Amino acid sequence: DAGITQSPRHKVTETGTPVTLRCHQTENHRYMYWYRQDPGHGLRLIHYSYGVKDTDKGEVSDGYSVSRSKTEDFLLTLESATSSQTSVYFCATERKGGGSYNEQFFGPGTRLTVL
Amino acid sequence: GNSVTQMEGPVTLSEEAFLTINCTYTATGYPSLFWYVQYPGEGLQLLLKATKADDKGSNKGFEATYRKETTSFHLEKGSVQVSDSAVYFCALDTSGGSNYKLTFGKGTLLTVNP
Repeated sequence: DAGITQSPRHKVTETGTPVTLRCHQTENHRYMYWYRQDPGHGLRLIHYSYGVKDTDKGEVSDGYSVSRSKTEDFLLTLESATSSQTSVYFCATERKGGGSYNEQFFGPGTRLTVL
Repeated sequence: GNSVTQMEGPVTLSEEAFLTINCTYTATGYPSLFWYVQYPGEGLQLLLKATKADDKGSNKGFEATYRKETTSFHLEKGSVQVSDSAVYFCALDTSGGSNYKLTFGKGTLLTVNP
């Protein structure tokens, strides 16, 4: 298993407060991703990173920002949390290798509730 | 755009029953196809993959064949066990260049009863 940890694992916060979720990996994988999982929607990509300080938006990036100052850490920030951001958040990493196939490895998830 | 459609759940089966979870896709180019599994309380993990047409991915008794002509990648298992209870996600990767992104289906919850 890729060594991926997420913190916190559970968080309850109030509308309007800033929240930062952390993803830490020990595999030296270049690519890192943040997804959210919601019933009826599967997993949707929020942001991803293809290297230190290199990030890009996914399909549901509004209201979220990310930062990657070190290979091993990828932070997801909700600048002002809203109830629609109540979700389970998953971090994933991917080793960029040769060929057309790259497996993504997922962390255990963070359950965020915005009241 | 790219999309994945998989059968709505939940699916409930008895132990040793045959399982099929349908997955079809829309994509440009030649995607790689995946099935990921999520056990209760955990993150997703790769179950099997196929990278070109007619490839068959297999793992833990599960199989799926990449059918380009029908744009499908159905998941099958001949005899399910209680421990197979999980959410199953079909996904495709149409990445090119330096961007690697997966598009997931909505997931199918499988419950296997003893």
